[in-house]
Amino acid sequence: DVKVTQSSRYLVKRTGEKVFLECVQDMDHENMFWYRQDPGLGLRLIYFSYDVKMKEKGDIPEGYSVSREKKERFSLILESASTNQTSMYLCAIRLPHYGYTFGSGTRLTVV
Amino acid sequence: ILNVEQSPQSLHVQEGDSTNFTCSFPSSNFYALHWYRWETAKSPEALFVMTLNGDEKKKGRISATLNTKEGYSYLYIKGSQPEDSATYLCAFHYSGNTPLVFGKGTRLSVIA
Repeated sequence: DVKVTQSSRYLVKRTGEKVFLECVQDMDHENMFWYRQDPGLGLRLIYFSYDVKMKEKGDIPEGYSVSREKKERFSLILESASTNQTSMYLCAIRLPHYGYTFGSGTRLTVV
Repeated sequence: ILNVEQSPQSLHVQEGDSTNFTCSFPSSNFYALHWYRWETAKSPEALFVMTLNGDEKKKGRISATLNTKEGYSYLYIKGSQPEDSATYLCAFHYSGNTPLVFGKGTRLSVIA
């Protein structure tokens, strides 16, 4: 089974800091996604990538950027963290039959 | 932005009760409908991927049906157990290479 690893389970950062959330897969899947989950709002797509160096904006990309320099790693970057970016962040990859496998999530608190 | 609606938002049932929830999605440009179970402190886990109108899928006590013409899917849990307590997400896939669009989920609590 493919494994999707997010580098931190819990993270606390200060307003204005640059924050990197890392997601690594242990196979060679092309499609990777970043979602955030907030109470009452469900999973919302931030950015996704179809391949190395490719990126596409999702529904809520403002305040975020991404990096995909290697196929197995997809990084989400908060250029200047703000309190409204306090959330649960989930990385996912798409499997060949179009199902998703998710990482365990990073709960980010911006103070 | 495509809209995927789930109802109810939350549900409390007694152990042994059977229950069901609804997912509504756009009926045009349908490609697939996914169901996931998300337990607290864990990752969302895939339950079903459904592609054909009239599809019925089953995994143990959990089953799902699909109506692509009218744009809805039902998830059924027979004889609910406390370990079924989780948020159940549906997600709509409107073409092969586009991201899933998730509903807000139905939060199920099964009381022993």
